[in-house]
Amino acid sequence: QSVLTQPPSVSAAPGQKVTISCSGSSSNIGNNYVSWYQQLPGTAPKLLIYDNNKRPSGIPDRFSGSKSGTSATLGITGLQTGDEADYYCGTWDSSLSYVVFGGGTKLTVL
Amino acid sequence: QVQLQESGPGLVKPSQTLSLTCTVSGGSISSGSYYWSWIRQPAGKGLEWIGRIYTSGSTNYNPSLKSRVTISVDTSKNQFSLKLSSVTAADTAVYYCARQWLEDWFDPWGQGTLVTVSS
Repeated sequence: QSVLTQPPSVSAAPGQKVTISCSGSSSNIGNNYVSWYQQLPGTAPKLLIYDNNKRPSGIPDRFSGSKSGTSATLGITGLQTGDEADYYCGTWDSSLSYVVFGGGTKLTVL
Repeated sequence: QVQLQESGPGLVKPSQTLSLTCTVSGGSISSGSYYWSWIRQPAGKGLEWIGRIYTSGSTNYNPSLKSRVTISVDTSKNQFSLKLSSVTAADTAVYYCARQWLEDWFDPWGQGTLVTVSS
């Protein structure tokens, strides 16, 4: 059971928008930066969003992040079949000084 | 561009110690405010952070694994290593090494290496 809570799956049609939520507590999301990772089938996770809402170089602006209180959200617009992947949120938990991840959300582009 | 590569045995017997090494290329392991982490993922499951090390030798470990984990660094070889003792089948997973910025994001990640615990 993961410390951060994500929906197991989300789906939407090509071209549409989807959001993925990540819920935590004051000891983790509430007081630390959130990052998001995309894991395509059979590959290592890749940094998608950092510091709640920043995109690394090379990540298209179709991907966005936000944070409010103890929850964070990943948004993806203009969905493409190549976006089908597992998405994970992660952050630092200050109570025990360790990294926590969400359980992951599988995105299906119908 | 920094790259990470995991190496080590793909099969470990129950009760033995799992040992992996991560080699950093394209940059010095001692540069910047980076930590060096190990993360694992059982087949079909999510990510679990194991622990990390700074080049000073300072470490943080996942409380659930702390009693069995040791992470060390060899700056002369630009490598850091993981030792997980008393393994069971539940430790079977793909193990990733990754660079972490302070208490924040992970980038880049190694390609991962599958370790199976079986007799």
